[in-house]
Amino acid sequence: QVQLVQSGDEMKKPGASVIVSCKASGYTFTNYGIVWVRQAPGQGLEWVGWISTYNGNTNYAQKLQGRVTMTKDISARTVYMELRSLRSDDTAVYFCARDPDDSDAYEIWGHGTMVTVSS
Amino acid sequence: QPVLTQPPSASGTPGQRVTISCSGTTSNIGRRYVYWYQQFPGRAPILLISLNNKRPSGVPDRFSGSKSGTSASLAISGLRSEDEADYYCAAWDDTLSDLVFGGGTRLTVL
Repeated sequence: QVQLVQSGDEMKKPGASVIVSCKASGYTFTNYGIVWVRQAPGQGLEWVGWISTYNGNTNYAQKLQGRVTMTKDISARTVYMELRSLRSDDTAVYFCARDPDDSDAYEIWGHGTMVTVSS
Repeated sequence: QPVLTQPPSASGTPGQRVTISCSGTTSNIGRRYVYWYQQFPGRAPILLISLNNKRPSGVPDRFSGSKSGTSASLAISGLRSEDEADYYCAAWDDTLSDLVFGGGTRLTVL
């Protein structure tokens, strides 16, 4: 079946970097982009950015530009999100979701990866 | 501060009809499609409504979406206890070049 499987929870110190992965299965990988959405504890949803799995084009949320990088590995059917210079307010569950490219209808989501930033 | 504005809470009794509003601007809802997501605690969001008023396969027809100008609404008819969840609206924002979400509405079924 169509699914996105994310890497495990992470605990990092302020200033460090984290890489979260999202492995796709059950569909043609390059037919859909991948977006990342995060949710701080007890807070709402926040869009982090998008990557085209076809050509690697990216579009990052304004507030995270310069600290976030998304990459893809077609052979591994996996997308990676790296967030650098971590701060306490980056503590959140990070979700990946399948993006149909012609809309923002995210029907397939990963289970979420908790990233905790604490000294 | 979320770009789209939703009431923090809503409630209703079983069988009732409840609406949740989502207010934006001409940079987002005014010119772009609106999407609605349902989220249960500790779970990933679920797409409820896309393209303002389209229900994905499997979403009950008790859920409906509408848009007028710079505002949108999600209506839930025949309210059921399992509808108790958080609901988020979303739309692309042309000024920010970001997808923006509302702050979420917690629906309680009394």
